Amino acid sequence: AQSVTQLGSHVSVSEGALVLLRCNYSSSVPPYLFWYVQYPNQGLQLLLKYTSAATLVKGINGFEAEFKKSETSFHLTKPSAHMSDAAEYFCAVTASGGYQKVTFGTGTKLQVIP
Amino acid sequence: DAGVIQSPRHEVTEMGQEVTLRCKPISGHDYLFWYRQTMMRGLELLIYFNNNVPIDDSGMPEDRFSAKMPNASFSTLKIQPSEPRDSAVYFCASSNPGTPRDEQFFGPGTRLTVL
Repeated sequence: AQSVTQLGSHVSVSEGALVLLRCNYSSSVPPYLFWYVQYPNQGLQLLLKYTSAATLVKGINGFEAEFKKSETSFHLTKPSAHMSDAAEYFCAVTASGGYQKVTFGTGTKLQVIP
Repeated sequence: DAGVIQSPRHEVTEMGQEVTLRCKPISGHDYLFWYRQTMMRGLELLIYFNNNVPIDDSGMPEDRFSAKMPNASFSTLKIQPSEPRDSAVYFCASSNPGTPRDEQFFGPGTRLTVL
């Protein structure tokens, strides 16, 4: 079984500041990891994914995440926050060997202060 | 591509009534997922299908919930009878053929309110 823990249900940053959203995972087999973003009244859309290739993964809208096996982490970062980044972000995990259902974290709401 | 289509977008019903939510996945996707999102429980996977066959329905909360996929382009999630605690946003998602671990494409969701 696998799980993800997102630290902080709400994060506030100033426009132009670094965005750091934390995600720790638990998996008994090598994981595949994802970050999704949900804008108000919309479904989730994929930001980026890690599938055992490069540990630093670049996604859309300037976001990136680094897979750190030793820390069981997959934190999401963006150097400079933009007002349009205000949304809810979900970390998700699935096992790499054979299809397993994707397990989503509880989400982190990002507020960007002008 | 129109993306995943869900209908209705909003549904308000009274306790005890039957509710049917509909989903049209992206053409060519052979995995279809139903999720429920609430403030209290977050995003929960209810059931998923592969090639129209239900694979895992362990997330379906109880017998009042049922899901079908009669063909590759249509799925329904039915609640009968509905209860106020079923109020939530229900999402349908589909994914690319042969790569179930790949991106899931989500529909806009159906906001269900049971009075």
